[in-house]
Amino acid sequence: SYELTQPPSVSVSPGQTASITCSGEKLNNKYAYWYQQKPGQSPVVVMSQDNRRPSGIPERFSGSNSGNTATLTISGTQVMDEADYYCQAWDITTHVVFGGGTKLTVL
Amino acid sequence: EVQLVESGGGLVKPGGSLRISCAASGFSFSDYNMNWVRQAPGKGLEWLSSIHSSSSYQYYTGSVKGRFTISRDNAKNSLYLQMNSLRDEDTAVYYCARGVSNGADLYLDFWGQGTLVTVSS
Repeated sequence: SYELTQPPSVSVSPGQTASITCSGEKLNNKYAYWYQQKPGQSPVVVMSQDNRRPSGIPERFSGSNSGNTATLTISGTQVMDEADYYCQAWDITTHVVFGGGTKLTVL
Repeated sequence: EVQLVESGGGLVKPGGSLRISCAASGFSFSDYNMNWVRQAPGKGLEWLSSIHSSSSYQYYTGSVKGRFTISRDNAKNSLYLQMNSLRDEDTAVYYCARGVSNGADLYLDFWGQGTLVTVSS
C-alpha cells in the first residue's frame, strides 16, 4: 500500500517561512494536495495539483513536488496559519491517501 | 454555495450498526464522486470509501471493507454510509467530502462539518 510521511510538528516565528514536507515513493509521479484543518473545523484545500492555489487561498501559500517529496511553503507566516496540515495523493491500489498530518505552531 | 451536511451519528454498542447520511446542495450532485473520511479523536484523517457519480463503482480502505457500505441516491442528493459490526476503534468524526477526479487522480474539494460516531458499551 502507498504511504505518505509528514513530520509531526513544525514551528515558525510570525513573519518567517514555514516549510512542511510530505514524502512518498516517487511522489513526483503523482499530484500532491494539501489540506489545512483548524481546531474544531473541517479540512480546507490550500494547495491543489502540487502548486495550484484554490480561489481564496492567500498568495503566501505555495507548493512544490520533486522526487519523493512534496513541500507546502508558507511565506510570511501569520498567526492565523496555525493549524494541522495534511498532504494527500491518489494511488491506484490505496486510492485516497493522507499523510499523518503536521501541526504548525506559529510563535 | 456548496453545502454538505452530515447526520445520523450517535452512540452505538460494539457489534452494532449505524447508518449516517450526507445531504448535498449547491452543486450538481450526480456529476461528482463522493467520499467518506473519518478522524478519530486527536488523530489524523483516514479516507474510508469513495463512490462514483453513477454508483458504478465503490472503493474501500482495508479496515472497513466488508463492514461498511457506501451508497448514494442522486434523486435525493444524498450520500450514505452503512456501518456494521462496529468496533471501539471506529469512534471518530465522519466527514462527507466531494471528490474531484482528473483521470487517475482524486482530491476532496469540499467537506461537510462531520458527524460524531461513538462506539462504546
